[in-house]
Amino acid sequence: DIQMTQSPSTLSASVGDRVTITCRASQSISSWLAWYQQKPGKAPKLLIYKASSLESGVPSSFSGSGSGTEFTLTISSLQPDDFATYYCQQYNSYPYTFGQGTELEIK
Amino acid sequence: EAQLVESGGGFVQPGGSLRLSCAASGFTFSSYVMSWVRQAPGKGLEWVSVISGSGTSTQYADSVKGRFTISRDNSKNTLYVQMKGLRADDTAVYYCARAGPDYAFDIWGQGTMVTVSS
Repeated sequence: DIQMTQSPSTLSASVGDRVTITCRASQSISSWLAWYQQKPGKAPKLLIYKASSLESGVPSSFSGSGSGTEFTLTISSLQPDDFATYYCQQYNSYPYTFGQGTELEIK
Repeated sequence: EAQLVESGGGFVQPGGSLRLSCAASGFTFSSYVMSWVRQAPGKGLEWVSVISGSGTSTQYADSVKGRFTISRDNSKNTLYVQMKGLRADDTAVYYCARAGPDYAFDIWGQGTMVTVSS
Protein backbone atom coordinates (compact mmCIF):
# COMPACT_ATOMS: atom_id res chain seq x y z
CA ASP A 1 0.00 0.00 0.00
CA ILE A 2 1.10 3.58 -0.62
CA GLN A 3 1.67 5.51 2.61
CA MET A 4 0.87 9.22 2.64
CA THR A 5 2.63 11.37 5.24
CA GLN A 6 1.56 14.92 5.90
CA SER A 7 3.51 17.58 7.76
CA PRO A 8 3.01 19.31 9.99
CA SER A 9 0.23 17.58 11.93
CA THR A 10 -0.80 20.89 13.46
CA LEU A 11 -0.15 24.38 12.15
CA SER A 12 -0.85 27.60 14.04
CA ALA A 13 -1.23 30.69 11.89
CA SER A 14 -2.92 34.07 11.72
CA VAL A 15 -5.37 35.61 9.29
CA GLY A 16 -3.43 36.93 6.32
CA ASP A 17 -0.54 34.46 6.71
CA ARG A 18 0.78 32.34 3.87
CA VAL A 19 0.92 28.66 4.85
CA THR A 20 2.19 25.49 3.23
CA ILE A 21 1.31 21.88 4.02
CA THR A 22 3.47 19.06 2.69
CA CYS A 23 2.41 15.56 1.68
CA ARG A 24 4.86 12.79 0.85
CA ALA A 25 4.02 9.49 -0.83
CA SER A 26 5.96 6.30 -0.10
CA GLN A 27 6.26 5.69 -3.85
CA SER A 28 5.59 7.65 -7.00
CA ILE A 29 1.96 8.52 -7.63
CA SER A 30 2.61 10.74 -10.66
CA SER A 31 0.11 13.61 -10.20
CA TRP A 32 -2.76 11.52 -8.83
CA LEU A 33 -3.11 13.53 -5.66
CA ALA A 34 -6.04 15.43 -4.18
CA TRP A 35 -6.38 17.84 -1.28
CA TYR A 36 -9.51 18.09 0.87
CA GLN A 37 -10.68 20.49 3.54
CA GLN A 38 -12.80 19.24 6.41
CA LYS A 39 -14.54 21.21 9.13
CA PRO A 40 -15.87 19.64 12.34
CA GLY A 41 -19.01 17.60 11.78
CA LYS A 42 -18.91 18.13 8.03
CA ALA A 43 -17.97 16.06 5.02
CA PRO A 44 -14.64 16.68 3.32
CA LYS A 45 -14.59 19.17 0.46
CA LEU A 46 -12.40 18.77 -2.62
CA LEU A 47 -9.96 21.66 -3.10
CA ILE A 48 -7.30 20.44 -5.50
CA TYR A 49 -7.19 17.46 -7.87
CA LYS A 50 -4.43 16.08 -10.05
CA ALA A 51 -1.93 17.75 -7.71
CA SER A 52 -2.41 21.29 -9.01
CA SER A 53 -5.87 21.72 -10.56
CA LEU A 54 -8.22 23.95 -8.60
CA GLU A 55 -11.71 22.56 -8.11
CA SER A 56 -14.49 24.81 -9.39
CA GLY A 57 -15.66 27.30 -6.79
CA VAL A 58 -12.56 27.04 -4.62
CA PRO A 59 -10.84 30.39 -3.92
CA SER A 60 -7.71 31.10 -5.92
CA SER A 61 -5.84 31.60 -2.65
CA PHE A 62 -5.50 27.79 -2.63
CA SER A 63 -2.88 26.21 -4.83
CA GLY A 64 -1.22 22.83 -5.15
CA SER A 65 2.05 21.68 -6.62
CA GLY A 66 4.30 18.66 -6.92
CA SER A 67 4.54 15.33 -8.66
CA GLY A 68 6.01 11.93 -7.99
CA THR A 69 6.35 11.72 -4.22
CA GLU A 70 6.42 15.31 -2.95
CA PHE A 71 3.40 17.61 -2.92
CA THR A 72 2.40 20.88 -1.30
CA LEU A 73 -0.81 22.74 -0.60
CA THR A 74 -0.38 26.48 -0.20
CA ILE A 75 -2.88 29.02 1.07
CA SER A 76 -1.60 32.42 0.01
CA SER A 77 -3.51 34.56 2.52
CA LEU A 78 -5.43 32.85 5.30
CA GLN A 79 -9.04 33.82 5.79
CA PRO A 80 -11.11 33.01 8.91
CA ASP A 81 -13.04 30.37 6.96
CA ASP A 82 -9.81 28.49 6.13
CA PHE A 83 -9.20 27.22 9.66
CA ALA A 84 -9.96 23.51 9.29
CA THR A 85 -8.28 20.13 8.84
CA TYR A 86 -6.65 19.33 5.52
CA TYR A 87 -6.05 15.89 4.04
CA CYS A 88 -4.09 14.72 1.04
CA GLN A 89 -5.15 11.56 -0.80
CA GLN A 90 -3.50 9.46 -3.47
CA TYR A 91 -5.67 7.90 -6.15
CA ASN A 92 -2.91 6.41 -8.24
CA SER A 93 -3.65 2.87 -7.13
CA TYR A 94 -5.87 0.86 -4.82
CA PRO A 95 -6.16 0.92 -1.91
CA TYR A 96 -6.56 4.69 -2.07
CA THR A 97 -4.91 6.24 0.97
CA PHE A 98 -5.15 9.51 2.85
CA GLY A 99 -2.60 11.43 4.83
CA GLN A 100 -3.19 11.66 8.56
CA GLY A 101 -4.41 15.23 8.31
CA THR A 102 -3.11 18.70 9.17
CA GLU A 103 -5.11 20.76 11.63
CA LEU A 104 -4.81 24.45 10.82
CA GLU A 105 -5.58 26.47 13.91
CA ILE A 106 -5.75 30.13 14.74
CA LYS A 107 -2.67 31.48 16.47
CA GLU B 1 -27.16 20.27 -8.17
CA ALA B 2 -25.38 16.99 -7.57
CA GLN B 3 -26.19 15.52 -4.18
CA LEU B 4 -25.57 12.35 -2.18
CA VAL B 5 -27.60 11.37 0.88
CA GLU B 6 -26.60 8.42 3.06
CA SER B 7 -28.90 6.44 5.32
CA GLY B 8 -28.99 3.21 7.27
CA GLY B 9 -26.50 3.92 10.02
CA GLY B 10 -27.17 2.98 13.61
CA PHE B 11 -26.16 0.96 16.61
CA VAL B 12 -25.24 -2.71 16.16
CA GLN B 13 -23.65 -5.38 18.32
CA PRO B 14 -20.29 -6.96 17.42
CA GLY B 15 -20.78 -9.64 14.80
CA GLY B 16 -23.92 -7.97 13.51
CA SER B 17 -24.85 -6.70 10.07
CA LEU B 18 -25.99 -3.42 8.60
CA ARG B 19 -26.68 -2.09 5.12
CA LEU B 20 -25.97 1.51 4.25
CA SER B 21 -27.55 3.30 1.31
CA CYS B 22 -26.53 6.40 -0.60
CA ALA B 23 -29.13 8.09 -2.77
CA ALA B 24 -27.76 10.15 -5.64
CA SER B 25 -29.46 13.01 -7.47
CA GLY B 26 -28.60 15.80 -9.87
CA PHE B 27 -26.23 13.80 -12.08
CA THR B 28 -26.15 10.71 -14.30
CA PHE B 29 -25.40 8.20 -11.54
CA SER B 30 -24.48 5.28 -13.80
CA SER B 31 -21.68 7.29 -15.41
CA TYR B 32 -19.66 7.63 -12.24
CA VAL B 33 -17.41 5.46 -10.13
CA MET B 34 -18.53 5.58 -6.50
CA SER B 35 -16.75 4.93 -3.22
CA TRP B 36 -17.33 4.57 0.49
CA VAL B 37 -14.96 6.38 2.87
CA ARG B 38 -15.14 6.20 6.64
CA GLN B 39 -13.89 8.23 9.58
CA ALA B 40 -13.62 6.83 13.08
CA PRO B 41 -14.40 9.29 15.89
CA GLY B 42 -11.59 11.82 16.18
CA LYS B 43 -9.54 10.08 13.47
CA GLY B 44 -8.63 10.60 9.84
CA LEU B 45 -10.23 9.45 6.62
CA GLU B 46 -10.05 5.83 5.47
CA TRP B 47 -11.05 4.67 2.01
CA VAL B 48 -13.25 1.55 2.25
CA SER B 49 -14.44 0.42 -1.18
CA VAL B 50 -15.08 1.43 -4.79
CA ILE B 51 -17.44 0.28 -7.53
CA SER B 52 -17.42 1.01 -11.25
CA GLY B 53 -20.27 2.79 -12.98
CA SER B 54 -21.69 -0.46 -14.34
CA GLY B 55 -21.24 -2.24 -11.03
CA THR B 56 -19.12 -5.00 -12.52
CA SER B 57 -15.83 -4.03 -10.89
CA THR B 58 -15.17 -3.56 -7.18
CA GLN B 59 -12.22 -3.08 -4.83
CA TYR B 60 -11.94 -3.17 -1.04
CA ALA B 61 -9.60 -2.08 1.72
CA ASP B 62 -7.94 -5.04 3.42
CA SER B 63 -9.62 -4.04 6.69
CA VAL B 64 -13.09 -4.83 5.27
CA LYS B 65 -12.37 -7.43 2.58
CA GLY B 66 -14.58 -10.48 2.97
CA ARG B 67 -16.95 -8.69 5.35
CA PHE B 68 -18.25 -5.72 3.32
CA THR B 69 -19.92 -5.85 -0.10
CA ILE B 70 -20.40 -2.76 -2.23
CA SER B 71 -23.15 -2.68 -4.86
CA ARG B 72 -25.28 -0.25 -6.79
CA ASP B 73 -28.70 -0.09 -8.41
CA ASN B 74 -28.44 2.33 -11.30
CA SER B 75 -32.19 2.17 -11.90
CA LYS B 76 -32.68 3.58 -8.41
CA ASN B 77 -29.63 5.89 -8.43
CA THR B 78 -28.51 4.26 -5.21
CA LEU B 79 -25.21 2.97 -3.86
CA TYR B 80 -25.05 0.36 -1.09
CA VAL B 81 -22.63 -1.27 1.24
CA GLN B 82 -23.61 -4.47 3.05
CA MET B 83 -21.55 -4.83 6.21
CA LYS B 84 -21.29 -8.18 8.04
CA GLY B 85 -19.21 -9.40 10.93
CA LEU B 86 -19.03 -5.90 12.30
CA ARG B 87 -16.32 -5.11 14.84
CA ALA B 88 -15.80 -2.29 17.29
CA ASP B 89 -13.15 -0.80 15.00
CA ASP B 90 -15.76 -0.42 12.24
CA THR B 91 -17.35 2.32 14.34
CA ALA B 92 -17.20 5.42 12.16
CA VAL B 93 -19.05 7.96 10.10
CA TYR B 94 -19.48 6.43 6.66
CA TYR B 95 -19.46 8.74 3.66
CA CYS B 96 -20.32 7.93 0.08
CA ALA B 97 -18.34 9.88 -2.48
CA ARG B 98 -18.43 10.36 -6.23
CA ALA B 99 -15.24 10.04 -8.22
CA GLY B 100 -15.28 13.02 -10.57
CA PRO B 101 -13.96 13.20 -14.13
CA ASP B 102 -10.38 13.19 -12.84
CA TYR B 103 -11.20 10.52 -10.24
CA ALA B 104 -10.80 12.66 -7.14
CA PHE B 105 -13.82 12.61 -4.82
CA ASP B 106 -15.70 15.71 -5.91
CA ILE B 107 -19.10 15.11 -4.29
CA TRP B 108 -19.60 13.75 -0.75
CA GLY B 109 -22.66 12.84 1.24
CA GLN B 110 -23.25 14.18 4.74
CA GLY B 111 -22.30 10.85 6.30
CA THR B 112 -24.11 8.27 8.42
CA MET B 113 -22.85 7.07 11.79
CA VAL B 114 -22.30 3.38 12.51
CA THR B 115 -21.63 2.37 16.11
CA VAL B 116 -20.56 -1.19 16.90
CA SER B 117 -20.74 -1.94 20.60
CA SER B 118 -22.04 -4.48 23.06
